[in-house]
Amino acid sequence: DIQMTQSPSSVSASVGDRVTITCRASQGISSWLAWYQQKPGKAPKLLIYAASSLQSGVPSRFSGSGSGTDFTLTISSLQPEDFATYYCQQANSFPPWTFGQGTKVEIK
Amino acid sequence: EVQLVESGGGLVKPGGSLRLSCAASGFTFSSYSMNWVRQAPGKGLEWVSSISSSSSYIYYADSVKGRFTISRDNAKNSLYLQMNSLRAEDTAVYYCARDQYSSSWRVFDIWGQGTMVTVSS
Repeated sequence: DIQMTQSPSSVSASVGDRVTITCRASQGISSWLAWYQQKPGKAPKLLIYAASSLQSGVPSRFSGSGSGTDFTLTISSLQPEDFATYYCQQANSFPPWTFGQGTKVEIK
Repeated sequence: EVQLVESGGGLVKPGGSLRLSCAASGFTFSSYSMNWVRQAPGKGLEWVSSISSSSSYIYYADSVKGRFTISRDNAKNSLYLQMNSLRAEDTAVYYCARDQYSSSWRVFDIWGQGTMVTVSS
């Protein structure tokens, strides 16, 4: 199974800050990576697919990059509605589909 | 509106059974593979099971293999998860999610709101 490791586990940031979250795969997954946002009590929401493609309707302050084993999600200017937990997911080799453990973006 | 609505969650004793349902609307359900994903309280996301559009391909996480059964009824636009021999560690919110893919990407693009399953004596 491919293991997905996110860092950091949590980050404290202020509105307007640039935030970067990293996701590392235990083996190469090309660009078969997605990012999801989850707010408390809500279902996950797809943000990024194919490592760097923005899902329709997602603000352009979100961007993704990387291929192989190392990936990043960047929020260029953090907004109040962006405080949430973010998960990466690999879709290169399944089953199982595997998620990172999550990164919680908190208010500083 | 594209929508998934789960139901069937509740409190069950260890060793008991429960059947979850997921009603789909707003898209051609029979054209999509579907998934169950769960989230234990305060924990991350864990994929549980997948079923292809025609039920030809079915997969399970090792943690539920032999205890859970995924199925679908395309005529009723519904997805199901039969959960037997439930354990405390199965306590979680269970989400159904639509599988969307192309030649270069694959994602869970639509999620339901989730249904809570609590296994406790």
